Amino acid sequence: DAGVIQSPRHEVTEMGQEVTLRCKPISGHDYLFWYRQTMMRGLELLIYFNNNVPIDDSGMPEDRFSAKMPNASFSTLKIQPSEPRDSAVYFCASSPRSGNPANEQFFGPGTRLTVL
Amino acid sequence: AQKVTQAQTEISVVEKEDVTLDCVYETRDTTYYLFWYKQPPSGELVFLIRRNSFDEQNEISGRYSWNFQKSTSSFNFTITASQVVDSAVYFCAQWISGSRLTFGEGTQLTVNP
Repeated sequence: DAGVIQSPRHEVTEMGQEVTLRCKPISGHDYLFWYRQTMMRGLELLIYFNNNVPIDDSGMPEDRFSAKMPNASFSTLKIQPSEPRDSAVYFCASSPRSGNPANEQFFGPGTRLTVL
Repeated sequence: AQKVTQAQTEISVVEKEDVTLDCVYETRDTTYYLFWYKQPPSGELVFLIRRNSFDEQNEISGRYSWNFQKSTSSFNFTITASQVVDSAVYFCAQWISGSRLTFGEGTQLTVNP
């Protein structure tokens, strides 16, 4: 089975542009997580979904960030408008089995975002 | 509040040495989970182990072993006979019910030939 798939792997954009990051979780996984990794703040959970429903979005830094999961096999993280401080590696992860978000999380390869 | 502390920012060893990565966690909850993840230079995060708070048994998996001690709130990770391929950033993390997975700041391990 394929692992978590993220696209694009690298994104370079200019300040003010809209950025959309995409994630395909592992088939059959109930939970999907979006993380951001920076040198200054380390790994931060932005939002997570259970069965396509957002459960905790308290980590989303501000209204410029939004995430959707229209179906079990696809999620997007959108930043609009983007700012240089959004530059980071964004990871998507998925986790199996309902009822326990503390199960092992399988991470995608990440999207390295650079906002100029 | 939950917090995970990895006091060692960087560790450098020579191949075949044993190395222990420290992890100290904070929580008032009695039910929680602890994790270790590895992030090699390629960037992806790889799950290594999960432990729940009711299982203090130490675990060994090949050259890897983990020492969970609730008395000191520690969940340390030892690599025996380290290899160059072990070079990576290692993250300790904690999950509390109703909360979220909180990562430590990571320890950069460099194994030199």
